Amino acid sequence: GAGVSQSPSNKVTEKGKDVELRCDPISGHTALYWYRQSLGQGLEFLIYFQGNSAPDKSGLPSDRFSAERTGGSVSTLTIQRTQQEDSAVYLCASILYSSVSNEQFFGPGTRLTVL
Amino acid sequence: GESVGLHLPTLSVQEGDNSIINCAYSNSASDYFIWYKQESGKGPQFIIDIRSNMDKRQGQRVTVLLNKTVKHLSLQIAATQPGDSAVYFCAENEGSARQLTFGSGTQLTVLP
Repeated sequence: GAGVSQSPSNKVTEKGKDVELRCDPISGHTALYWYRQSLGQGLEFLIYFQGNSAPDKSGLPSDRFSAERTGGSVSTLTIQRTQQEDSAVYLCASILYSSVSNEQFFGPGTRLTVL
Repeated sequence: GESVGLHLPTLSVQEGDNSIINCAYSNSASDYFIWYKQESGKGPQFIIDIRSNMDKRQGQRVTVLLNKTVKHLSLQIAATQPGDSAVYFCAENEGSARQLTFGSGTQLTVLP
Protein backbone atom coordinates (compact mmCIF):
# COMPACT_ATOMS: atom_id res chain seq x y z
CA GLY A 1 0.00 0.00 0.00
CA ALA A 2 0.99 3.66 -0.20
CA GLY A 3 3.40 4.86 2.42
CA VAL A 4 4.29 8.32 3.62
CA SER A 5 5.30 10.57 0.76
CA GLN A 6 7.17 13.85 0.85
CA SER A 7 7.82 16.51 -1.70
CA PRO A 8 10.05 17.81 -3.03
CA SER A 9 12.72 15.17 -2.56
CA ASN A 10 15.40 17.82 -2.91
CA LYS A 11 15.22 21.56 -2.49
CA VAL A 12 18.01 24.03 -3.07
CA THR A 13 17.31 27.60 -2.06
CA GLU A 14 19.12 30.82 -1.43
CA LYS A 15 19.61 32.22 2.03
CA GLY A 16 16.70 34.43 3.01
CA LYS A 17 14.12 32.69 0.85
CA ASP A 18 11.06 30.90 2.20
CA VAL A 19 10.49 27.20 1.56
CA GLU A 20 7.53 24.87 1.94
CA LEU A 21 7.92 21.15 2.46
CA ARG A 22 5.00 18.81 2.04
CA CYS A 23 4.09 15.55 3.72
CA ASP A 24 1.32 13.15 2.73
CA PRO A 25 0.82 10.69 5.58
CA ILE A 26 -0.63 7.23 5.37
CA SER A 27 -4.39 7.44 5.00
CA GLY A 28 -6.14 7.00 8.32
CA HIS A 29 -3.11 7.76 10.45
CA THR A 30 -4.12 10.27 13.07
CA ALA A 31 -0.73 11.49 14.18
CA LEU A 32 2.01 13.17 12.18
CA TYR A 33 5.53 14.20 13.13
CA TRP A 34 8.18 16.35 11.55
CA TYR A 35 11.85 15.72 12.28
CA ARG A 36 15.08 17.26 11.12
CA GLN A 37 18.18 15.22 10.48
CA SER A 38 21.53 16.89 9.99
CA LEU A 39 24.32 15.00 8.24
CA GLY A 40 25.47 12.04 10.31
CA GLN A 41 23.15 12.92 13.16
CA GLY A 42 20.07 11.48 14.76
CA LEU A 43 16.58 12.81 14.35
CA GLU A 44 15.61 16.08 15.98
CA PHE A 45 11.93 16.37 16.82
CA LEU A 46 10.27 19.49 15.41
CA ILE A 47 6.49 19.30 15.71
CA TYR A 48 3.71 16.80 16.33
CA PHE A 49 0.06 16.76 15.24
CA GLN A 50 -2.52 14.46 16.79
CA GLY A 51 -6.10 14.53 15.55
CA ASN A 52 -7.79 17.82 16.33
CA SER A 53 -5.57 18.60 19.30
CA ALA A 54 -3.31 21.62 19.37
CA PRO A 55 0.03 20.68 17.83
CA ASP A 56 3.09 20.16 20.00
CA LYS A 57 5.49 22.78 18.66
CA SER A 58 8.08 22.39 21.37
CA GLY A 59 10.78 21.22 18.97
CA LEU A 60 10.63 24.09 16.50
CA PRO A 61 14.05 25.79 16.66
CA SER A 62 12.86 29.32 15.95
CA ASP A 63 9.82 31.34 14.95
CA ARG A 64 10.96 31.06 11.34
CA PHE A 65 9.62 27.52 11.43
CA SER A 66 5.92 26.74 11.28
CA ALA A 67 3.75 23.85 10.23
CA GLU A 68 0.14 23.14 9.59
CA ARG A 69 -1.93 20.11 8.93
CA THR A 70 -5.04 20.61 6.86
CA GLY A 71 -8.04 18.36 7.19
CA GLY A 72 -6.16 16.01 9.46
CA SER A 73 -4.12 14.75 6.53
CA VAL A 74 -1.53 16.63 4.47
CA SER A 75 1.00 18.70 6.38
CA THR A 76 3.21 21.56 5.26
CA LEU A 77 6.37 22.65 7.05
CA THR A 78 7.33 26.23 6.24
CA ILE A 79 10.72 27.75 6.88
CA GLN A 80 10.88 31.51 6.45
CA ARG A 81 14.03 33.49 5.71
CA THR A 82 16.09 30.33 5.41
CA GLN A 83 19.59 30.23 6.88
CA GLN A 84 22.49 27.96 5.98
CA GLU A 85 22.12 26.12 9.28
CA ASP A 86 18.65 25.05 8.15
CA SER A 87 20.28 22.73 5.62
CA ALA A 88 19.28 19.20 6.58
CA VAL A 89 16.97 16.36 5.67
CA TYR A 90 13.43 16.99 6.87
CA LEU A 91 11.56 13.81 7.66
CA CYS A 92 7.87 13.29 8.16
CA ALA A 93 6.33 10.32 9.93
CA SER A 94 2.78 9.22 10.55
CA ILE A 95 1.42 6.81 13.09
CA LEU A 96 -1.75 5.01 13.98
CA TYR A 97 -1.55 4.45 17.69
CA SER A 98 -2.72 1.06 18.91
CA SER A 99 -2.32 -1.18 21.92
CA VAL A 100 0.02 -3.32 19.87
CA SER A 101 2.50 -0.86 18.46
CA ASN A 102 3.39 2.79 18.23
CA GLU A 103 5.32 2.32 15.01
CA GLN A 104 6.09 5.50 13.16
CA PHE A 105 6.16 5.20 9.39
CA PHE A 106 8.66 7.57 7.84
CA GLY A 107 8.68 9.22 4.48
CA PRO A 108 11.85 9.42 2.37
CA GLY A 109 12.56 12.97 3.48
CA THR A 110 13.23 16.27 1.78
CA ARG A 111 16.87 17.25 1.51
CA LEU A 112 17.07 21.02 1.95
CA THR A 113 20.20 22.87 0.95
CA VAL A 114 20.46 26.57 1.73
CA LEU A 115 23.17 28.32 -0.23
CA GLY B 1 18.17 17.04 29.53
CA GLU B 2 17.55 13.36 29.04
CA SER B 3 19.27 11.77 26.10
CA VAL B 4 19.66 8.52 24.31
CA GLY B 5 23.14 7.66 23.12
CA LEU B 6 24.99 4.93 21.33
CA HIS B 7 28.28 3.44 22.47
CA LEU B 8 29.91 3.05 19.05
CA PRO B 9 29.42 5.21 16.00
CA THR B 10 30.59 2.49 13.58
CA LEU B 11 30.52 -1.28 13.51
CA SER B 12 31.97 -3.59 10.87
CA VAL B 13 31.10 -7.28 10.78
CA GLN B 14 31.75 -10.14 8.42
CA GLU B 15 28.85 -11.40 6.38
CA GLY B 16 27.23 -14.29 8.21
CA ASP B 17 28.39 -13.19 11.65
CA ASN B 18 26.06 -11.87 14.31
CA SER B 19 25.94 -8.13 14.99
CA ILE B 20 25.28 -6.43 18.28
CA ILE B 21 24.46 -2.75 18.37
CA ASN B 22 24.25 -1.09 21.76
CA CYS B 23 22.38 1.88 23.10
CA ALA B 24 22.38 3.60 26.48
CA TYR B 25 19.52 5.76 27.65
CA SER B 26 19.38 8.10 30.58
CA ASN B 27 15.68 8.58 31.27
CA SER B 28 14.77 5.97 33.86
CA ALA B 29 11.09 6.70 33.24
CA SER B 30 11.29 5.63 29.59
CA ASP B 31 9.00 2.71 28.98
CA TYR B 32 8.98 2.19 25.25
CA PHE B 33 11.93 1.62 22.97
CA ILE B 34 12.31 1.23 19.24
CA TRP B 35 15.08 0.33 16.85
CA TYR B 36 15.12 1.89 13.40
CA LYS B 37 17.23 1.13 10.36
CA GLN B 38 18.07 3.90 7.93
CA GLU B 39 19.61 3.17 4.57
CA SER B 40 21.35 5.88 2.65
CA GLY B 41 18.93 8.36 1.16
CA LYS B 42 15.89 6.83 2.80
CA GLY B 43 13.79 7.51 5.86
CA PRO B 44 14.14 5.37 8.99
CA GLN B 45 12.43 2.01 8.88
CA PHE B 46 10.98 0.36 11.95
CA ILE B 47 12.76 -2.84 12.96
CA ILE B 48 11.49 -3.87 16.35
CA ASP B 49 10.15 -2.36 19.55
CA ILE B 50 9.99 -3.36 23.18
CA ARG B 51 8.12 -2.13 26.22
CA SER B 52 9.69 -1.81 29.62
CA ASN B 53 7.71 -4.73 31.04
CA MET B 54 9.79 -7.02 28.86
CA ASP B 55 13.52 -7.70 28.75
CA LYS B 56 13.68 -9.49 25.43
CA ARG B 57 11.78 -9.55 22.20
CA GLN B 58 12.54 -11.44 19.03
CA GLY B 59 11.72 -10.73 15.44
CA GLN B 60 12.91 -12.15 12.19
CA ARG B 61 16.72 -12.41 12.60
CA VAL B 62 16.62 -9.60 15.15
CA THR B 63 16.45 -9.61 18.92
CA VAL B 64 16.16 -6.61 21.20
CA LEU B 65 17.37 -6.87 24.77
CA LEU B 66 16.45 -4.36 27.45
CA ASN B 67 18.32 -4.05 30.74
CA LYS B 68 16.46 -1.51 32.81
CA THR B 69 18.87 -1.82 35.71
CA VAL B 70 21.71 -0.29 33.74
CA LYS B 71 19.48 1.51 31.22
CA HIS B 72 20.88 -0.35 28.27
CA LEU B 73 19.29 -1.51 25.05
CA SER B 74 20.82 -3.72 22.40
CA LEU B 75 19.90 -4.95 18.96
CA GLN B 76 21.21 -8.30 17.85
CA ILE B 77 21.15 -9.22 14.18
CA ALA B 78 21.71 -12.87 13.38
CA ALA B 79 23.62 -13.99 10.28
CA THR B 80 24.26 -10.43 9.15
CA GLN B 81 23.74 -9.86 5.44
CA PRO B 82 25.00 -7.15 3.07
CA GLY B 83 21.49 -5.70 3.03
CA ASP B 84 21.80 -5.04 6.74
CA SER B 85 24.39 -2.32 6.09
CA ALA B 86 22.76 0.89 7.31
CA VAL B 87 22.63 3.30 10.21
CA TYR B 88 20.74 1.95 13.19
CA PHE B 89 19.01 4.25 15.66
CA CYS B 90 17.50 3.52 19.00
CA ALA B 91 14.68 5.70 20.23
CA GLU B 92 12.69 5.90 23.42
CA ASN B 93 9.76 7.62 24.98
CA GLU B 94 8.08 7.89 28.30
CA GLY B 95 4.51 7.11 29.19
CA SER B 96 1.99 9.21 27.37
CA ALA B 97 4.63 11.41 25.81
CA ARG B 98 4.36 11.17 22.09
CA GLN B 99 7.83 12.39 21.29
CA LEU B 100 10.52 9.89 20.54
CA THR B 101 14.06 10.74 21.58
CA PHE B 102 16.55 9.36 19.08
CA GLY B 103 20.15 8.40 19.55
CA SER B 104 22.79 9.58 17.10
CA GLY B 105 23.02 6.25 15.28
CA THR B 106 25.51 3.46 14.60
CA GLN B 107 26.76 2.80 11.09
CA LEU B 108 26.80 -0.95 10.47
CA THR B 109 28.97 -2.13 7.61
CA VAL B 110 28.81 -5.73 6.49
CA LEU B 111 32.06 -6.96 4.98
CA PRO B 112 32.03 -9.63 2.26
